[in-house]
Amino acid sequence: GAVVSQHPSWVICKSGTSVKIECRSLDFQATTMFWYRQFPKQSLMLMATSNEGSKATYEQGVEKDKFLINHASLTLSTLTVTSAHPEDSSFYICSARRPLATGELFFGEGSRLTVL
Amino acid sequence: AQTVTQSQPEMSVQEAETVTLSCTYDTSESDYYLFWYKQPPSRQMILVIRQEAYKQQNATENRFSVNFQKAAKSFSLKISDSQLGDAAMYFCAYRSPSTGTASKLTFGTGTRLQVTL
Repeated sequence: GAVVSQHPSWVICKSGTSVKIECRSLDFQATTMFWYRQFPKQSLMLMATSNEGSKATYEQGVEKDKFLINHASLTLSTLTVTSAHPEDSSFYICSARRPLATGELFFGEGSRLTVL
Repeated sequence: AQTVTQSQPEMSVQEAETVTLSCTYDTSESDYYLFWYKQPPSRQMILVIRQEAYKQQNATENRFSVNFQKAAKSFSLKISDSQLGDAAMYFCAYRSPSTGTASKLTFGTGTRLQVTL
């Protein structure tokens, strides 16, 4: 069964509204989670690294005020797309890492966001 | 910064045949992890196989095996006895052994594998 769960798997929203995507690790505590964005037929682009109890680390070019990340507990990280625009439409994937140096990364099912 | 290159955007293989997907990477680290992930139409990323750089022996998982050439920085995936269910996008990925932010995965651009009858 899935060890990392994302919700919602599919969401449509109007321009200007905000959308929250949740990423939960189901059977382990994840001190670090990662948020990726994937455009059609392209690779995964890392957006940010979510650290429990501290601020997220954003990759270059990713607007931190646009993509708010909260890692409030060891099993939950959220990505909020604020004031969404059509160009934010994409597939967003989270992954969680087991807290070991050799810890494997597990991926969520992904969330498809469509902004009208 | 590490980079991962997959030079084959698309590959095709007949059912029951063998196919090899190429991956090269660039790094200055001596210890790291390499992965092959499969992304089927459902978009769920599935780990196919992993290789620790300090291990000389090539990793094997059932029909999947790798050819890890550390000096050449090459990490190819061989799929034997291909099945229709193997059709997917395959991503090669690199990870530093560090923890926290540095443990992020760097992905290649992917290879789309088609399996024909």
